[in-house]
Amino acid sequence: GQNIDQPTEMTATEGAIVQINCTYQTSGFNGLFWYQQHAGEAPTFLSYNVLDGLEEKGRFSSFLSRSKGYSYLLLKELQMKDSASYLCAEVDSNYQLIWGAGTKLIIKP
Amino acid sequence: GAVVSQHPSWVICKSGTSVKIECRSLDFQATTMFWYRQFPKQSLMLMATSNEGSKATYEQGVEKDKFLINHASLTLSTLTVTSAHPEDSSFYICSARTGRSGNTIYFGEGSWLTVV
Repeated sequence: GQNIDQPTEMTATEGAIVQINCTYQTSGFNGLFWYQQHAGEAPTFLSYNVLDGLEEKGRFSSFLSRSKGYSYLLLKELQMKDSASYLCAEVDSNYQLIWGAGTKLIIKP
Repeated sequence: GAVVSQHPSWVICKSGTSVKIECRSLDFQATTMFWYRQFPKQSLMLMATSNEGSKATYEQGVEKDKFLINHASLTLSTLTVTSAHPEDSSFYICSARTGRSGNTIYFGEGSWLTVV
């Protein structure tokens, strides 16, 4: 079956940079995206990558390497409001989404 | 790159009314579009697959008479939640497949529906 792995929890300091990694199985890959979700709220779309490389969108960037089955979300100039869960999800060969369990990011002053 | 626009991003409607969500491919023709739904604290689930000019194929457990999907053109698919109830409050997201080599798909940014 499909397996999405990302760290359970990460801690970073306000103003710093943090990279959240996500690995997935490479068979039948149709894209990968990242969501941000604050507790009790709907997920917010951050990015999707279907081609190799880095896509930058303001303070957030997302990278994909299809050959390695690897993606990361890079957050720069961290703010306290960035404390949230970050979920990566792979679209498989059947166009179903396979979700990671999410990475809880804790920002400290 | 290719862009898929989804509208509205947020919608609140009264119980018993219907609400329509649009999914547009802005710079390519989408032969196939997909609709997903995510309930709070659950995984995103595929609801249906729609091909331009034909009826949508619904996943098991999804009521086709309640979630009407229309894919009238190669750049637009709509999802209509009919007679909405509070339990239909969810996050809905669409994706579109280009049909070109590689069959790349692109996602919209999602729509959050709240039924009150």
